[in-house]
Amino acid sequence: KQEVTQIPAALSVPEGENLVLNCSFTDSAIYNLQWFRQDPGKGLTSLLLIQSSQREQTSGRLNASLDKSSGRSTLYIAASQPGDSATYLCAVSGTGRRALTFGSGTRLQVQP
Amino acid sequence: DARVTQTPRHKVTEMGQEVTMRCQPILGHNTVFWYRQTMMQGLELLAYFRNRAPLDDSGMPKDRFSAEMPDATLATLKIQPSEPRDSAVYFCASGLVIGASTEAFFGQGTRLTVV
Repeated sequence: KQEVTQIPAALSVPEGENLVLNCSFTDSAIYNLQWFRQDPGKGLTSLLLIQSSQREQTSGRLNASLDKSSGRSTLYIAASQPGDSATYLCAVSGTGRRALTFGSGTRLQVQP
Repeated sequence: DARVTQTPRHKVTEMGQEVTMRCQPILGHNTVFWYRQTMMQGLELLAYFRNRAPLDDSGMPKDRFSAEMPDATLATLKIQPSEPRDSAVYFCASGLVIGASTEAFFGQGTRLTVV
């Protein structure tokens, strides 16, 4: 059974800092990994999708990497802003089960 | 503006009542997921449809929950009878399977409170 872990559970940083969020998964037989953002009381917004054959994806100040063999992904946020404050979730879609399995998220607070 | 639409956004009901949640997936998407989110358990898969056929509903309590897709534009999740432990946010997501990849897009959720 796929298990997804995100570290740290919570993170508080001053504005402007670069930061890294970590995601690990136990079964490397995945189709893709997706990073989401969730604001309080809201739905999930897709940030980046990395297919299993890819090593990284970039969107603006966000860069996500994938090392499938070691079961790890990182989300790098450059020059953080208060508007980046949210919970960040990673999820994997496996070859056995195509539906996404989610981590418990990292709650990020960026201090002005 | 393509998005997943869920109704209602909020529902308060008494224990024992039937609850129906609806989802309109993004036009053209062939995959629909239902997830439940709680503080304790995080996001849990309840059901998963591909081309309107259920592929995985192992996460759903079968005695009280049912999920259907009457047509390609509507997915429903029913709870009968509802219990206080069903209080959670229920999310619908849709995606288009292309080869081995599926990117999922989520709706805003239905916040259910059972009293």
